[in-house]
Amino acid sequence: QKEVEQDPGPLSVPEGAIVSLNCTYSNSAFQYFMWYRQYSRKGPELLMYTYSSGNKEDGRFTAQVDKSSKYISLFIRDSQPSDSATYLCATSRGNRDDKIIFGKGTRLHILP
Amino acid sequence: EPEVTQTPSHQVTQMGQEVILRCVPISNHLYFYWYRQILGQKVEFLVSFYNNEISEKSEIFDDQFSVERPDGSNFTLKIRSTKLEDSAMYFCASTEDTAPTQYFGPGTRLTVL
Repeated sequence: QKEVEQDPGPLSVPEGAIVSLNCTYSNSAFQYFMWYRQYSRKGPELLMYTYSSGNKEDGRFTAQVDKSSKYISLFIRDSQPSDSATYLCATSRGNRDDKIIFGKGTRLHILP
Repeated sequence: EPEVTQTPSHQVTQMGQEVILRCVPISNHLYFYWYRQILGQKVEFLVSFYNNEISEKSEIFDDQFSVERPDGSNFTLKIRSTKLEDSAMYFCASTEDTAPTQYFGPGTRLTVL
């Protein structure tokens, strides 16, 4: 069983729409849940992270974690063409020297 | 805003040659990492480094790989004898003492011919 599973897409939505991106994970030991954005041939850029279950909002972005179902979500409101990128969900156990386990990423296209 | 930097941006080498990839982590960060991403695949952990020693390494990080922090600012990844399958983007990352989230550099694209 893969540790972090993510639908690779691509996902195409019209500008202004609400985008929903999702992941599942398998290891109950994971405590931190991150979303990274990656543009083509660039490094992953940390968007936001949450600790344990719950919601976190940052501007147009909302991250949700449901540890009971091992489900991670990212919502993007009022989507913009500049949001077009690959979104990587990621987890770690939370110790500072811990590796991050990434999903494969979902390619998102926002159509003007 | 401080950022992780990496050099070179693109390295082309012949199979069997040694390469050194360089990174300058964010200055107050204490934990350093290397990851790689083969084209079309997920980002994979290679090694973590803290207090001048390796904390954890993956199965990928075999005897051909080594890491070093030669001074107070640089963090390097050496591949002693490159193979075709080492072709990938290599990302350096770092984190400070207060959070496990990691900040990534722009990557070095390694092409082994």
